[in-house]
Amino acid sequence: AQTVTQSQPEMSVQEAETVTLSCTYDTSESDYYLFWYKQPPSRQMILVIRQEAYKQQNATENRFSVNFQKAAKSFSLKISDSQLGDAAMYFCAYRDHSNYQLIWGAGTKLIIKP
Amino acid sequence: GAVVSQHPSWVICKSGTSVKIECRSLDFQATTMFWYRQFPKQSLMLMATSNEGSKATYEQGVEKDKFLINHASLTLSTLTVTSAHPEDSSFYICSARVAGLNTEAFFGQGTRLTVV
Repeated sequence: AQTVTQSQPEMSVQEAETVTLSCTYDTSESDYYLFWYKQPPSRQMILVIRQEAYKQQNATENRFSVNFQKAAKSFSLKISDSQLGDAAMYFCAYRDHSNYQLIWGAGTKLIIKP
Repeated sequence: GAVVSQHPSWVICKSGTSVKIECRSLDFQATTMFWYRQFPKQSLMLMATSNEGSKATYEQGVEKDKFLINHASLTLSTLTVTSAHPEDSSFYICSARVAGLNTEAFFGQGTRLTVV
């Protein structure tokens, strides 16, 4: 069975600095998707970034980028120029290519220090 | 972007009563909807997957008679918590997607249920 592990329950970063959130996963599939979701205090889940496993190029979305290491089954999220609005729970998630059920990590609480 | 609306956002009910939570896709037809439960400071736990017009598929350990899911139309799925008890108090989230499109499911804003 697939699993997703986030080993950092909480991270803090100074505003305007860069922070990296870690995620590892386990799967025997070769084709799958990985995601980072943000859940702010409003608790609305927001898709931050998506990575397709067959793509070697790391996905980026403005200040958000990932370091996808397929062989190591690692999928970290880098947030550059951290802003106060980035404070939230961040969840790493996985799904198979054809199965839209998501497997979730435990989450990392990101604190932004002004 | 696609919008999924959950209603109500929060509800308080008495122990022993039933409460219904609605999940609507406002601008697309949702062939599949997912229902999650989230305990405080924890991740999302998938409760069930429902496809329009068919019975929901429940995850192991989720009581189907306790958590009734109906997906009667392409824009509406409902979760009814029957004979609610305080331990059912939680945050419930739905998400919806369209079959045939390579897009991710869109999430509702969640419903906080408190059973007193």
